[in-house]
Amino acid sequence: DTAVSQTPKYLVTQMGNDKSIKCEQNLGHDTMYWYKQDSKKFLKIMFSYNNKELIINETVPNRFSPKSPDKAHLNLHINSLELGDSAVYFCASSRSPTRQETQYFGPGTRLLVL
Amino acid sequence: QKEVEQDPGPLSVPEGAIVSLNCTYSNSAFQYFMWYRQYSRKGPELLMYTYSSGNKEDGRFTAQVDKSSKYISLFIRDSQPSDSATYLCAMSAGSGGSNYKLTFGKGTLLTVNP
Repeated sequence: DTAVSQTPKYLVTQMGNDKSIKCEQNLGHDTMYWYKQDSKKFLKIMFSYNNKELIINETVPNRFSPKSPDKAHLNLHINSLELGDSAVYFCASSRSPTRQETQYFGPGTRLLVL
Repeated sequence: QKEVEQDPGPLSVPEGAIVSLNCTYSNSAFQYFMWYRQYSRKGPELLMYTYSSGNKEDGRFTAQVDKSSKYISLFIRDSQPSDSATYLCAMSAGSGGSNYKLTFGKGTLLTVNP
């Protein structure tokens, strides 16, 4: 009965490859997020979707493309991976965009680009 | 000046100590203030949430917000080894659009020694 789940948990890949991370929430929330946490633990928002619609799009290289097939799923596709993309990527969800103070986070996907 | 400043520590205390964790911020529009706890290799989990100024208590945890000084604190009484984690402050303006996004501090690594 995991609330927010992500796959895969670990991803090791070569520079230049394309990879995807999947996220699913079973909380019935309308809003989902992608965050990037760097090696110094700094957590920064990348994207947010509300009911499949993009509402937050921070300054992120266009190699990163989120996709929300339905409000319970938010995937992140990364093209032409670079060394600097190595980080932990967290998915999160909240009831609505106005309820961002109660976000539930997934376990994270640890991406290592070699 | 970063929007949210948090001393990364590390902070090491003996079991039973009172722990004080702090963040300062520069954006006077922030009015929602959160503390998240992140265990090693896990996602952040919401610990405390406060709206505007004032105190909030939940068991051994007390959150304080002083908007006039742009300063927030989290106090942990009778600290336990299970409190060992990284503590992240987060805040948002909550006033619409991307102002709903959470801005995180860099986190303080706390170790409580038995």
